[in-house]
Amino acid sequence: GAVVSQHPSRVICKSGTSVKIECRSLDFQATTMFWYRQFPKQSLMLMATSNEGSKATYEQGVEKDKFLINHASLTLSTLTVTSAHPEDSSFYICSATDRSVYEQYFGPGTRLTVT
Amino acid sequence: GQNIDQPTEMTATEGAIVQINCTYQTSGFNGLFWYQQHAGEAPTFLSYNVLDGLEEKGRFSSFLSRSKGYSYLLLKELQMKDSASYLCAVRVDTNAGKSTFGDGTTLTVKP
Repeated sequence: GAVVSQHPSRVICKSGTSVKIECRSLDFQATTMFWYRQFPKQSLMLMATSNEGSKATYEQGVEKDKFLINHASLTLSTLTVTSAHPEDSSFYICSATDRSVYEQYFGPGTRLTVT
Repeated sequence: GQNIDQPTEMTATEGAIVQINCTYQTSGFNGLFWYQQHAGEAPTFLSYNVLDGLEEKGRFSSFLSRSKGYSYLLLKELQMKDSASYLCAVRVDTNAGKSTFGDGTTLTVKP
């Protein structure tokens, strides 16, 4: 089956610093990748949709200058949380679809803690 | 706007059957997904319905009625490992595959 990896799985950073999270499709070409954020006991909230070679489409209320998304190739998308604050602490999950756009393949998630 | 409703919590007994309902009102519809998510982990795919009717896959079945905006996930022969959150998601965009997720139903299976 299709495999999506995320790195790092856990990261702790200090307030004001930036953190980059990588999302890779290991055995297929991901034409579209999605970035979600999930707070404890809540559902997945879509942050942005990323298409290879074009600018990401952000959901309403998500600051594009704070959450920088780059989808430089068909197998890699990155999310950079800039000037992180404690309220950015969350579980960040990426998913990817291939050209069939049948289902989303989820990465294992990244637990971000900002101190 | 998008609206997907699921019960917040359910409890069932090991070996029993449980049905988790999902109702939706979305701007578009191109399929409904059910995912299982254990605490601290990413969701895993369970089922996909795009046409009305029942899809069966082992101990799990999913039903869809598009006219009623309704789906359910049926879990049979419950096992302790089935304790998890179950997410109903509607794909609202064909081109990008964008989906809207419900808040999830936390299922607790007791001995």
